[in-house]
Amino acid sequence: QSVLTQPPSVSAAPGQKVTISCSGSSSNIGNNYVSWYQQLQGTAPKVLIYDNNKRPSGIPDRFSGSKSGTSATLGITGLQTGDEADYYCGTWDTSLSAVVFGGGTKLTVL
Amino acid sequence: QVQLQQWGAGLLKPSETLSLTCAVYGGSFSGYYWSWIRQPPGKGLEWIGEIKHSGSTNYNPSLKSRVTISVDTSTKQFSLRLSSVTAADTAVYYCARFVRPDPYFDYWGRGTLVTVSS
Repeated sequence: QSVLTQPPSVSAAPGQKVTISCSGSSSNIGNNYVSWYQQLQGTAPKVLIYDNNKRPSGIPDRFSGSKSGTSATLGITGLQTGDEADYYCGTWDTSLSAVVFGGGTKLTVL
Repeated sequence: QVQLQQWGAGLLKPSETLSLTCAVYGGSFSGYYWSWIRQPPGKGLEWIGEIKHSGSTNYNPSLKSRVTISVDTSTKQFSLRLSSVTAADTAVYYCARFVRPDPYFDYWGRGTLVTVSS
């Protein structure tokens, strides 16, 4: 059971938009920055979003992040087949003094 | 460009000690924290712990009693030891650069599959 809650799967057609939610509590998302990671099959995760809504160099603006209260959301527009991957949210949990992740969401581009 | 190269034994027997090392190439070593993260087959990510270049550490409470992370600043390497392994410790283990206080992981190693089996 992960500390952060994500939907197990989402799907959408190429060119469409999808959002992935990440729900936590005041001890984690509510008071800390959230990051998002993309993990393509058989590869290491890659950071897409950090500090709730910032994109590292090289990450296209099709990817966006937001946070409200104890929840965060990853948005992906203009979906491509290459976006099919597992997506994870992560943050610091002040009560646990540990990094916590969501259980991951599998994105299928139909 | 920062690169993390990791290595270590991939097959262990129950009760043995897992040992992995990660070398950092490029970029600053002393200005960052360094972490280990693992992912059981078909499952999600689990943070194991972190170490600063000074040697100060912080571990996941669920693994704290069995984990040791150490650092060698002269070679820009950091290591993971996990004692008394069981089948539940079978996972891909990643090393990563940990950006604090934000916090997030911006560079990752390629991962090492460690299998625990008798």
